Formats: sequence, structure tokens, C-alpha cells
Amino acid sequence: QVQLVESGGDLVKPGGSLRLSCAASGFTFNDYYMTWVRQAPGKGLEWVSYISSSGSTKYHADSVKGRFTISRDNTKNSLYLQMNSLRAEDTAVYYCARRYFGRLRYFDLWGRGTLVTVSS
Amino acid sequence: QPVLTQPPSSSASPGESARLTCTLPSDINVNFYTIYWYQQKPGSPPRYLLYHYSDADRGRDSGVPSRFSGSKDASANTGILLISGLRSEDEADYYCMIWPSNVVMFGGGTKLTVL
Repeated sequence: QVQLVESGGDLVKPGGSLRLSCAASGFTFNDYYMTWVRQAPGKGLEWVSYISSSGSTKYHADSVKGRFTISRDNTKNSLYLQMNSLRAEDTAVYYCARRYFGRLRYFDLWGRGTLVTVSS
Repeated sequence: QPVLTQPPSSSASPGESARLTCTLPSDINVNFYTIYWYQQKPGSPPRYLLYHYSDADRGRDSGVPSRFSGSKDASANTGILLISGLRSEDEADYYCMIWPSNVVMFGGGTKLTVL
């Protein structure tokens, strides 16, 4: 079954750290660019970061640059997001998503998300 | 604050059409970018709907009805999602997205209510 399953979301204090994981199955993971997108409660979608299929290229949104790091392990079909120096405004559902394999740049497969709550 | 501007809400009756807009900032020319549209229903992740670059380069994801279509209004620097023949199941949040260079930009989303 083609799917993405996120895990690792939790309640964490401001300034704390958390590592999210995304397990991919049913497709050739190392063929695809992957991304993290978050959604604060009741708010819209916000792109966080993306990583190339090999892991050699990574980009992060300005809002998380220097605090979050995206990575992947193609031997484990897994995507990660290391989040440090967490702030209240990082509270959101974090989705991992797959970029379409082709010239178009859209996200064709999404996980169901994992909730990160940053609060004291 | 999202870079792409979408009206927070829109409403229409069943059978009518809904025209959802996505305005790009003035330093990003809509003519040069592909606009992607997503639909999100409560408690679910977003679902990709379609893309629109030009009338000759556009497409819907498999399973997306032909009632959904995209276009651009270059004079307003805006991408448009048109949903015709509205049905109750079209009630959802709709997001536009562009991918210029090394960043991804989403609009703030429009909540479409089918009255």
C-alpha cells in the first residue's frame, strides 16, 4: 500500500527539541523528493522544508531556518525533521508529503500528520 | 503571513459556480509560474487537484471531476480555481501553491461553503 505515516509528535516545552519521522511504503522512496508541511490549529498550510531524492539538497523556510533540519535515510525508507529551539508558534500538525515524480512540482501523496504542541 | 493572497471565505449554492482566486505578490509574475491547487476537508490532509500554467499546459489529477478547472488573470496577477456545478461535497478549504526556485509558497486558503 502506497502511504506515508508520520510519528514523533508530542507536547514539548519552549526551547525544547523533537524529532519527527515519516515512514514511506509502497513506492520507491529514493526516487522522490520529500517535504514537510505544517498547519497550525485552524490555520492554513505552511511549507517547512524539502529534501532531494538523494538527500544532497535541502531547503528550509525562513521561519525555521537554523532551528529545523530535514534529513532522510533511503535504506530505511524514512524522512525526518529534527526540530530544535521550539517556539509556541511551531505548534502545528506536521505533514510529510511526496513530490510528484516528473516535471510538475506538486505534492501527490500526503501522510495524515503528527501533532506537535509547544507549551509550558 | 502567506505570500499568496486568497479570500478567507466564499460561498455559493449547489449547482452554481465558485471562482476562487489566488493573487501573487507584485514581484512574482503569474505568467511565469505554474499554479497548483489543493483541497482539504476537516480532519484530512490536503489533496492535490490540478495545475495550471497556460491554456495549453494544464491538468487535473486522476479522479478529479472536470467541474474543476484552473485559469489565470494576468492583469490581476492572479490564479483562479473554477468549480462549476457545485455539490455539497465540494465544501472544503482550497489552497493555491507555487514553487519558485527553492521555496514553496502556499496561499492562506479559502473556505468554500456550499449553501
